Amino acid sequence: AQTVTQSQPEMSVQEAETVTLSCTYDTSESDYYLFWYKQPPSRQMILVIRQEAYKQQNATENRFSVNFQKAAKSFSLKISDSQLGDAAMYFCAYRSPLRLTFGTGTRLQVTL
Amino acid sequence: DTEVTQTPKHLVMGMTNKKSLKCEQHMGHRAMYWYKQKAKKPPELMFVYSYEKLSINESVPSRFSPECPNSSLLNLHLHALQPEDSALYLCASSPGPRAGTEAFFGQGTRLTVV
Repeated sequence: AQTVTQSQPEMSVQEAETVTLSCTYDTSESDYYLFWYKQPPSRQMILVIRQEAYKQQNATENRFSVNFQKAAKSFSLKISDSQLGDAAMYFCAYRSPLRLTFGTGTRLQVTL
Repeated sequence: DTEVTQTPKHLVMGMTNKKSLKCEQHMGHRAMYWYKQKAKKPPELMFVYSYEKLSINESVPSRFSPECPNSSLLNLHLHALQPEDSALYLCASSPGPRAGTEAFFGQGTRLTVV
């Protein structure tokens, strides 16, 4: 079974600054995808960014980018130019056929 | 339409009640999922339907009964629940069961068992 670990229960960042959220995972599979989801107080899980395991190039999506280290099984999320609307719970997730396994989550606070 | 719609948004039920949660999507997705999320915890997978067939049951107690009447609709029937079953129940769908397909989530049903 796959496991996903997020070692930072809470993080805080000032508006306009950059923050990095950590995620590690464990798997023996070769075909998988990794995702970061955001869950604001509205409860809905929103996809932030995805990474295909077979791609070496790190994914980027506007202010969001990942540092994917396949050998180390590490998948961190960098948020640049943080905005108040980025405040939420962030979940790292491992996607294999039929399954999406979430990490324990990191609560991000954005301060003025 | 890129929405997954869950109804009701809130539900309070007694331990002897029978109720159902409903999830609907019109994106043509062929995989649908039920997750349970307790406060300050990640979502935990309960059931997966792929092409209207139950593919995964994560050893969920029989007081939870899923149903997929068609490719757009997913129900979760609840009977004789316990207070510890109180949680946010999230439905998700994806184009298919493959790993590369993104899962879209509904806003969830907040269930309270009294």
